[in-house]
Amino acid sequence: GAGVSQSPSNKVTEKGKDVELRCDPISGHTALYWYRQSLGQGLEFLIYFQGNSAPDKSGLPSDRFSAERTGGSVSTLTIQRTQQEDSAVYLCASSISLADTQYFGPGTRLTVL
Amino acid sequence: DQQVKQNSPSLSVQEGRISILNCDYTNSMFDYFLWYKKYPAEGPTFLISISSIKDKNEDGRFTVFLNKSAKHLSLHIVPSQPGDSAVYFCAASAPSSNTGKLIFGQGTTLQVKP
Repeated sequence: GAGVSQSPSNKVTEKGKDVELRCDPISGHTALYWYRQSLGQGLEFLIYFQGNSAPDKSGLPSDRFSAERTGGSVSTLTIQRTQQEDSAVYLCASSISLADTQYFGPGTRLTVL
Repeated sequence: DQQVKQNSPSLSVQEGRISILNCDYTNSMFDYFLWYKKYPAEGPTFLISISSIKDKNEDGRFTVFLNKSAKHLSLHIVPSQPGDSAVYFCAASAPSSNTGKLIFGQGTTLQVKP
C-alpha cells in the first residue's frame, strides 16, 4: 500500500516568508509525528498528533512554528517568518497508534536564503 | 543534553564481514529501542527493534543487542552487503510516557566495500 507522502519535496524560500509543509500519513494510522533533521544532526522531535489532537506542543522550536491535522489524516506544518536556522529536512511519520512502529515519509528539504 | 549517542560518525567494512554499530543512552526510563536505516534523499526506514525485557532480537542478517546495565545497544549486520551502505540511526522511546516520541542518535554512516 501507499506509504507516507510529503510535499513539496524541496522548498527554497526567502527569509521572512511563511511556508507550509504537508504530510499524508498511511491510511488508517491514527498517530502522526513531525521531526526535523538539521545538517549533520540526528532527528529532532517536534510534535505528535493522536487523531486531530496535539497534546504537547513543547517540542516546537519557537512560536513561529505551528501544526494542525484535520480529518484524522493530512497534517500541515507551518513556519511563519522563516529564518535561516529553520533550514533542515522536515520529516513526517505515522503509526497505527501511539508507541507503534513509526513509518517515515521522504521529507521536505527546506532552504531559507 | 544528548540522551541517545552514536559516537562513531562512520564505519567502513568489507563485504561479507560483520558490521557492528553502537549506541549509548542516558535515560533509564527508555524501554523501547529501534534502529532505522536511511538512504540519501529518502526518509528513515524501520529496521529492527527491541524491548527492554529482552537482551537480543534477531531478524535475518540483523541482530540487535541490549545491555541495560551499561545503557548500551548495538546492531550487528552479518554478512554485510554493499546495499547495506546507508546512515543508521538508533532511537529510543519510553512508551510509558504515551507520546510515541522517539529520541534519535546522530547517526552512523556505514560503507560496505565490495
